[in-house]
Amino acid sequence: SYVLTQTPSVSVAPGQTATMTCGGDKIRGKSVHWYQQKPGQAPVLVVYNDNDRPSGIPERFSGSNSGNTATLTISRVEAGDEADYYCQVWDTYSDHVVFGGGTKLTVL
Amino acid sequence: QVHLVESGGGVVQPGRSLRLSCAASGFTFDNYVFHWVRQAPHRGPEWVAVISYDGSNIYYAAAVTGRFTISRDNSNNTVYLQMNSLRADDTALYYCARALGFGDTFYGMDVWGQGTTVTVSS
Repeated sequence: SYVLTQTPSVSVAPGQTATMTCGGDKIRGKSVHWYQQKPGQAPVLVVYNDNDRPSGIPERFSGSNSGNTATLTISRVEAGDEADYYCQVWDTYSDHVVFGGGTKLTVL
Repeated sequence: QVHLVESGGGVVQPGRSLRLSCAASGFTFDNYVFHWVRQAPHRGPEWVAVISYDGSNIYYAAAVTGRFTISRDNSNNTVYLQMNSLRADDTALYYCARALGFGDTFYGMDVWGQGTTVTVSS
């Protein structure tokens, strides 16, 4: 089955840029979606199709996808961005949806 | 307003069954695909199942294949998850999530409910 690998934790100071990666075999050939989850809340879609934002998501959130790594970038990080972030793909080979293990973003 | 409201969770003994429901409102139900996603305590989300617009295409995670059944009633704007032969490792918060697209055209899960808790314990 397809596996997505995320760095467990990232720490960044307010105002700086946070970069979170999602590794997968030839992930460039898949559409990657990213979710933000705060404690006690349901996940929220923040980036879809590698680099599109749903309405209401700030432009500070952006994504990219190349080779074997997809990346979520949060510019000008705010305290309210502290959360767990999960990447996700639809593996068309198995017709399964796959989540990464998540990255905990800490704002220092 | 767009809403998904899950219900039907509870405490159940191993080997027993539960049926979860997800009631949708505020949008055209049959324009969307629906997923069930679960999250065990202190773990990340785990995909469970998906059902296409008219219910003609359904897929399950390996962990639930043969035990769980997803279905939908487009006349009542509701998605269901029938869970049989429950095991301790099925214990989780179960979310219903809406999605546009299916397979190659999957655009992510843009609306989630608040979840219903399933606890499997003797």
